Amino acid sequence: AQTVTQSQPEMSVQEAETVTLSCTYDTSENNYYLFWYKQPPSRQMILVIRQEAYKQQNATENRFSVNFQKAAKSFSLKISDSQLGDTAMYFCAFMKQTNTPLVFGKGTRLSVIA
Amino acid sequence: NAGVTQTPKFQVLKTGQSMTLQCAQDMNHEYMSWYRQDPGMGLRLIHYSVGAGITDQGEVPNGYNVSRSTTEDFPLRLLSAAPSQTSVYFCASSSRDRKTYEQYFGPGTRLTVT
Repeated sequence: AQTVTQSQPEMSVQEAETVTLSCTYDTSENNYYLFWYKQPPSRQMILVIRQEAYKQQNATENRFSVNFQKAAKSFSLKISDSQLGDTAMYFCAFMKQTNTPLVFGKGTRLSVIA
Repeated sequence: NAGVTQTPKFQVLKTGQSMTLQCAQDMNHEYMSWYRQDPGMGLRLIHYSVGAGITDQGEVPNGYNVSRSTTEDFPLRLLSAAPSQTSVYFCASSSRDRKTYEQYFGPGTRLTVT
């Protein structure tokens, strides 16, 4: 079974600074999908970024980028120019193939400080 | 296009009562699933469905029933509520399309069992 580990329960960053959230996973699959979801206080789950394992290029979405290290089974999220609105719980998730369940890490609570 | 909708948003039950959490999506997604979120635990899979008439158990299925009679709806039934079922419940759906495979989440239902 796949597992996802987020080793940082809480983090904080100054506004406009850069922060990196860690995620490691365990799988025997060669092709799979990885995600970062953001959950603000409203509790809505919002997709931040996704990565297909067969793509070597790291995904980017505006201020958000990932460092995908397939051999190390690592999938970290970098947030540049942090904003107050980035304050949220961040979940890393693994999906074996399309239309299969997501496996979530336990989350990292990020606080952006003015 | 409403996406994934869940009702109710909040619910308080007494131990032993039964109820149904409703989930509907208007995106013609084949895959639907239910997760529960507890502090420090991330999101854990309860049940999922890959199409009408097909359901399967996830990591924490005990005490919950599901059925999928239509593509749009995937209700979650609590047969006899217990305090351990106090949680936030999320419904999600996705398409097997390799271009838009991410899971879309509903707004969640906060359930308290006293």
